[in-house]
Amino acid sequence: KAGVTQTPRYLIKTRGQQVTLSCSPISGHRSVSWYQQTPGQGLQFLFEYFSETQRNKGNFPGRFSGRQFSNSRSEMNVSTLELGDSALYLCASSLLAGATETQYFGPGTRLLVL
Amino acid sequence: DQQVKQNSPSLSVQEGRISILNCDYTNSMFDYFLWYKKYPAEGPTFLISISSIKDKNEDGRFTVFLNKSAKHLSLHIVPSQPGDSAVYFCAASGRSEKLVFGKGTKLTVNP
Repeated sequence: KAGVTQTPRYLIKTRGQQVTLSCSPISGHRSVSWYQQTPGQGLQFLFEYFSETQRNKGNFPGRFSGRQFSNSRSEMNVSTLELGDSALYLCASSLLAGATETQYFGPGTRLLVL
Repeated sequence: DQQVKQNSPSLSVQEGRISILNCDYTNSMFDYFLWYKKYPAEGPTFLISISSIKDKNEDGRFTVFLNKSAKHLSLHIVPSQPGDSAVYFCAASGRSEKLVFGKGTKLTVNP
């Protein structure tokens, strides 16, 4: 079974631009969660989607948004990029929703904002 | 306000010995705890979990201990192997079902 895939793996943007990251979950998994990892803050929860609905949201500004498609693939979008948005963005999928479900992580997309 | 703390950024042990990674939490509403392992250039991999109704869970070389009164959990790896060298993240969740992660501890197992 293929694992969680994320595209692109690396991305360089400039301040003020917007970016869209993509995540394909493990086949059959219906829940997708997104996390931001930075050296200073560690892994921080962004949001969780289940059956195309946002089920949970972390403490991030409205510039961070996401969506999930009917095939469970998910995208996250960051608008008006700031230097502090430079981070590794991780996507994780699980069969069902909820924190007690085992989450399988993708390799991440490393975003650099200049 | 960091709700899950891993106070040791790094730990170095000899192959064959025990590795003990520690984690403290502040939110008494957390009722489910997990450990993840992360190699460079890969996403975190689930290792082991424990519910607050238990105080110990074992899976092969990995054992997690939970001390609810102290709001402390630890991961024991016995015996440690060089392939265990990675960053270990502690995570917790409660009613909100959001996973809250610590900042990680880098474990180095020396041959």
